[in-house]
Amino acid sequence: QQPVQSPQAVILREGEDAVINCSSSKALYSVHWYRQKHGEAPIFLMILLKGGEQKGHDKISASFNEKKQQSSLYLTASQLSYSGTYFCGTVRYSGGGADGLTFGKGTHLIIQP
Amino acid sequence: GAVVSQHPSRVICKSGTSVKIECRSLDFQATTMFWYRQFPKQSLMLMATSNEGSKATYEQGVEKDKFLINHASLTLSTLTVTSAHPEDSSFYICSARALTNYGYTFGSGTRLTVV
Repeated sequence: QQPVQSPQAVILREGEDAVINCSSSKALYSVHWYRQKHGEAPIFLMILLKGGEQKGHDKISASFNEKKQQSSLYLTASQLSYSGTYFCGTVRYSGGGADGLTFGKGTHLIIQP
Repeated sequence: GAVVSQHPSRVICKSGTSVKIECRSLDFQATTMFWYRQFPKQSLMLMATSNEGSKATYEQGVEKDKFLINHASLTLSTLTVTSAHPEDSSFYICSARALTNYGYTFGSGTRLTVV
């Protein structure tokens, strides 16, 4: 089942903060966050695991609420390079090793100078 | 870091012909690789899981006879779009995972246009 992302789109000025949410109707074993620029492949940002979280970048962090089956991605002091579409992805099985990702519909982030 | 190479990056083919896309893990072995399809302004949709030495597992609604997957070695998976039609035009991306509990690395994608 596809996770639900919100908001669908965000327009920010450089230096502002943003929060992107990802929720699932099913139990989450891990949540993966990716950023994709137009015409390019998704770039891995970070993974959050059941029972812990892993931070991927300095000003980009994330939280994982297992009980609420939600994850949020936080972008602090946004830079122009942060523009793109952000996807959260989930796996269906607790093992996770041999399972592909089910992605949300994405959040389009536009950073203006 | 884990690198996945995908070729070709762009291909244009005539309707009715077949196209092969290659996905290679360059610095790690991948017993499992994944193939996704992405239509314009949409999300990535998992098509199939490619398993080294065995048959691929296809997601519901994906025609296995149309999208042939071969994973003959620990570093190479191929996706062949057979008898391509214009509606098969899309962005096809492969991915693999170097280590469990780490992120998936994606290839650079293949833009397929069927005319």
